[in-house]
Amino acid sequence: DAKTTQPNSMESNEEEPVHLPCNHSTISGTDYIHWYRQLPSQGPEYVIHGLTSNVNNRMASLAIAEDRKSSTLILHRATLRDAAVYYCILRDVGSNYKLTFGKGTLLTVNP
Amino acid sequence: DAGVIQSPRHEVTEMGQEVTLRCKPISGHNSLFWYRQTMMRGLELLIYFNNNVPIDDSGMPEDRFSAKMPNASFSTLKIQPSEPRDSAVYFCASSLAPNQETQYFGPGTRLLVL
Repeated sequence: DAKTTQPNSMESNEEEPVHLPCNHSTISGTDYIHWYRQLPSQGPEYVIHGLTSNVNNRMASLAIAEDRKSSTLILHRATLRDAAVYYCILRDVGSNYKLTFGKGTLLTVNP
Repeated sequence: DAGVIQSPRHEVTEMGQEVTLRCKPISGHNSLFWYRQTMMRGLELLIYFNNNVPIDDSGMPEDRFSAKMPNASFSTLKIQPSEPRDSAVYFCASSLAPNQETQYFGPGTRLLVL
């Protein structure tokens, strides 16, 4: 599986935007970029995914670099409930049921 | 929608005992996954079922672990005999199809083996 690199931790203030980066320099043409997050004492939950174009949903936005070697998850206005570990995962469109979780980024949101 | 249901939520047992974890996937979902999460190894896939058939069990750590899916609405993960190093949080997840983008995770079972 192609690997992703994320910062171990990030901090944000409540109601401010948060940009969570992910590097995936070995991404292949058929890899989708997925983001999941895990709130304390809960199972992971899906946030967003994309292939080439930027994507928006009610939870977040995903900005994908033109060369696809990096992406950024954007939370437009962080709340205390957004404090979680955020995982950036590459998933082959053809294979592939597998979600390979790395260490993710621990996001702390300050009131 | 009740989501993925797991039981028990917490389990404390002694080394050597049999442990059975249970999972009810979301109705209509055809794919079911068992994951384990530890501080050392993070989240790792143990086994994956599609239409009740085990497709990939390469993540099952050893023969002490076994998983079954007797029907579309129920799966078990059994550890026999249990060891302290099996202590972890075990998650079950389901999805509509194998490569459907969203896997829905249950709340997990926190297992402590003394």
